[in-house]
Amino acid sequence: GENVEQHPSTLSVQEGDSAVIKCTYSDSASNYFPWYKQELGKRPQLIIDIRSNVGEKKDQRIAVTLNKTAKHFSLHITETQPEDSAVYFCAAPSGYALNFGKGTSLLVTP
Amino acid sequence: DTAVSQTPKYLVTQMGNDKSIKCEQNLGHDTMYWYKQDSKKFLKIMFSYNNKELIINETVPNRFSPKSPDKAHLNLHINSLELGDSAVYFCASSHNGQGTYEQYFGPGTRLTVT
Repeated sequence: GENVEQHPSTLSVQEGDSAVIKCTYSDSASNYFPWYKQELGKRPQLIIDIRSNVGEKKDQRIAVTLNKTAKHFSLHITETQPEDSAVYFCAAPSGYALNFGKGTSLLVTP
Repeated sequence: DTAVSQTPKYLVTQMGNDKSIKCEQNLGHDTMYWYKQDSKKFLKIMFSYNNKELIINETVPNRFSPKSPDKAHLNLHINSLELGDSAVYFCASSHNGQGTYEQYFGPGTRLTVT
């Protein structure tokens, strides 16, 4: 099955700085790469996703890049705000479900 | 309008007991899932049902038994609860079961086994 590795496990940035979270996957046939955000005590929610026919996708302050050759994809958050503090999960399809990375706990300090 | 709902939100019980968690989605999705999130926040797939048929059964103890009476409901029954079962259990649903569509998660059920 798909193996998804996520780094770093924790990330602390100052408000206004950028944050980057990276994931690698093992199955070269994977074609869908979502990112989920989980605030403390809440459910995971999709924030952005990318399919394998594009290399980058942006939505306001967040962007995802995909390098299919290297089998890695990254989440970029610019102009971070305290409300961006949460656990972020990358994922890739594995059979009939998603295989999630182990999560990155992002802390944005004012 | 709650898309994916779970009950109960909290469940505290003693070792050896049997308990159930219920999940319902009103999105018309074909596929539903159960995930376990441990204390380290790791989200791990347990089961997946597509149109009431089991399509994924990861390596979980057979004390865990999912049941899908219809495609809008996926319940989880746990027998002989153990301390290690303490976790947050999330139900989710998606348009299809190929892992290539957004998954909508329920609010989670925090299970504490004492």
